[in-house]
Parts: sequence; structure tokens; C-alpha cells
Amino acid sequence: QLVLTQSPSVSASLGASVKLTCTLSSGHSRYAIAWHQQQPEKGPRYLMKLNSDGSHSKGDGIPDRFSGSSSGAERYLTISSLQSEDEADYYCQTWGTGIQVFGGGTKLTVL
Amino acid sequence: EVQLLESGGGLVQPGGSLGLSCAASGFTFSTYAMSWVRQAPGKGLEWVSTINFSGGTTYYADSVMGRFTISRDSSKNTLSLQMNGLRAEDTAVYYCARSYDSTGDYFDYWGQGTLLTVSS
Repeated sequence: QLVLTQSPSVSASLGASVKLTCTLSSGHSRYAIAWHQQQPEKGPRYLMKLNSDGSHSKGDGIPDRFSGSSSGAERYLTISSLQSEDEADYYCQTWGTGIQVFGGGTKLTVL
Repeated sequence: EVQLLESGGGLVQPGGSLGLSCAASGFTFSTYAMSWVRQAPGKGLEWVSTINFSGGTTYYADSVMGRFTISRDSSKNTLSLQMNGLRAEDTAVYYCARSYDSTGDYFDYWGQGTLLTVSS
């Protein structure tokens, strides 16, 4: 079964870097994922598609502070030089024929 | 600029029906798959349904199969979701999302959502 697992919450200081993790279920380690950001009271916003080899393509207007990487079944989103507006929920998404799957989301708090 | 604007949400009694719409602009609507995704209050994102570029193929989450119907009208650049047999657990903000490709890849644009409340 295709499942994505995310830590429920993470916190980091203003100006620091943070690395969020999304883990693919067993047998699905080569799947690509997408990262989405959802700021409070807003709709989600596409950040990037991240492939199993770590290559990624970002959405329109996404700052260079956002980057992605991969290792095995793990997919990472790194945000550097944290700003207050980065405080949001972050979701990973993957897909197959006729199915879309979201991780449970990670709430990022910027201290 | 790609824009997706949902409408049609509201308060419905359990067992009732409602239709949602998503008006798309800023891209060639007929060449992209489209989807509905929902978010219950305080919860995460849940995929609901996807329709391919032509409307010839549709997919549904098990939780809505047989109750919801997705459709599209490329002459009006509109995506729709007809919801029947509504339950309290269908209460959520419903988002329209565009897929990166024609068949149903990841979502690269989202709307702002419309709220459905199912309650007596």
C-alpha cells in the first residue's frame, strides 16, 4: 500500500535552516513526490516535484531558500534562512494510476 | 496567470446533495487533468477525485465512490463535483487542483477552496 509518513511537527529559529522528511512506504522507494505548503487560513501552494535521484523542479516564484533532496525512501524539503512566513503546514504527495496520496503533514513553527 | 476559483459550498443536511464548481483560467483547461482534494477542519489533505484531460477517465477515493461524481466542461473551463448522500464526515474545505499533466500527475496549482458543512 502506497503510504507517505511525515513527522507531525518541527520547530526552528528565525534565520536558521530546517529539513522536513517524507518517507515512502516499503516497495515504493523510487516514487517521486511533490511538496506543498499551506500557510494558515490559505489554500495549499505547490513548492516542488522531487525525484528519487534528488533532482527537483520548483513551482513558479518559489525562492531558492527551498530545496529538495532524496535518500532511499526518504524525501527531504530543506528551507534555509527561515522567515516568519515559512511558518505553515507542509504536505508531501505522491501518485499512481488512479490514486493520489498525501502525507499527514508537518507543522513548521518558526521561533 | 493560472487561477482556480471554487464555488458552491454551503450547509447541507445529512443525506442531501450539493454541487461544487471550479472556474479555471490562465491555461488551456482541456489539456490538463483536474482533481478535487478536501480538508476536514483541523485535519490534513485528502484526495477525493481526479478526471483526465478529456473527461473520459475518472478516479475516486474509496470514501466517496458511488456518492460523488466528477465532471468537466471544457467549453466553459469548469470542473464540477456532484455530491450525493452527504454525511457529516464529508464536512471539509474542498479544493480544486490542476495536475501537472493530462492524466493525473502531481498538483501544480490549487484554488482557495470552498467550505461544505454537512449538519442537521
